[in-house]
Amino acid sequence: TAGITQAPTSQILAAGRSMTLRCTQDMRHNAMYWYRQDLGLGLRLIHYSNTAGTTGKGEVPDGYSVSRANTDDFPLTLASAVPSQTSVYFCASSDSVEQDTQYFGPGTRLTVL
Amino acid sequence: GQNIDQPTEMTATEGAIVQINCTYQTSGFNGLFWYQQHAGEAPTFLSYNVLDGLEEKGRFSSFLSRSKGYSYLLLKELQMKDSASYLCAVSNSNYQLIWGAGTKLIIKP
Repeated sequence: TAGITQAPTSQILAAGRSMTLRCTQDMRHNAMYWYRQDLGLGLRLIHYSNTAGTTGKGEVPDGYSVSRANTDDFPLTLASAVPSQTSVYFCASSDSVEQDTQYFGPGTRLTVL
Repeated sequence: GQNIDQPTEMTATEGAIVQINCTYQTSGFNGLFWYQQHAGEAPTFLSYNVLDGLEEKGRFSSFLSRSKGYSYLLLKELQMKDSASYLCAVSNSNYQLIWGAGTKLIIKP
C-alpha cells in the first residue's frame, strides 16, 4: 500500500512563479492536511479538508490555496511564490478529523529564490 | 495563545533510558500525540494519550497529566536507530493539532 505520495520530492522555484504541490492518498481517508515545517518551529497547518468538497484555513494560509475535488487528491498551490515560502511541505491524512491519527507523506522540499 | 514546549535537544547512551518532556497550553484538549521523525523523513505516529496515566507500547511509553498540562515520552533500552526528533502535538478544541518544535535525541554508543 502506497499510503500518501507527494510530488515533486524537491523543487527550486523563482520568486513570482506559481507552483502546485501534489498529494494523493489511497487509504480512503476523509480528512487531509497541508503543513509546513521550518527549522526551530513546529509543524504549522496551512490548509485542511475534513471531507471531499470542503476546505478550511489553518494557522498560516496566506499565499496558499487548496482544492479537494475527490477523496484521494489534495493539491496545494502557491500562486506567486516568495522566498519566505521556502520550507518542507508535508501532506497528511486521517480517517476522520476527531481524535484520529494523522499519517504523513514523504514531504516536498521547496526552495524559492 | 497556544504553545507546546519541549527541550530542543537531548543526549543519551545506547542501552539507557531517556524521558522527553512536553508541556502544553492550548484552547481545549482532545488528546496528545507523540511522533518520531528521522532526519529528512516524514513524522511517524508513536502514541496517543487522551486520559491521564501511562500508555506502554514495547520500549516506548507515554504519560499524560491533563491537570498539569504535561506529558512525557519514555524510551527504554535505547538503540542507535532511536536517534531522531520526537514531536509532541496536542489536539485542541477544534481538533487541530498544535505541534511542538520537536526534541532532537542523540544516542551515543
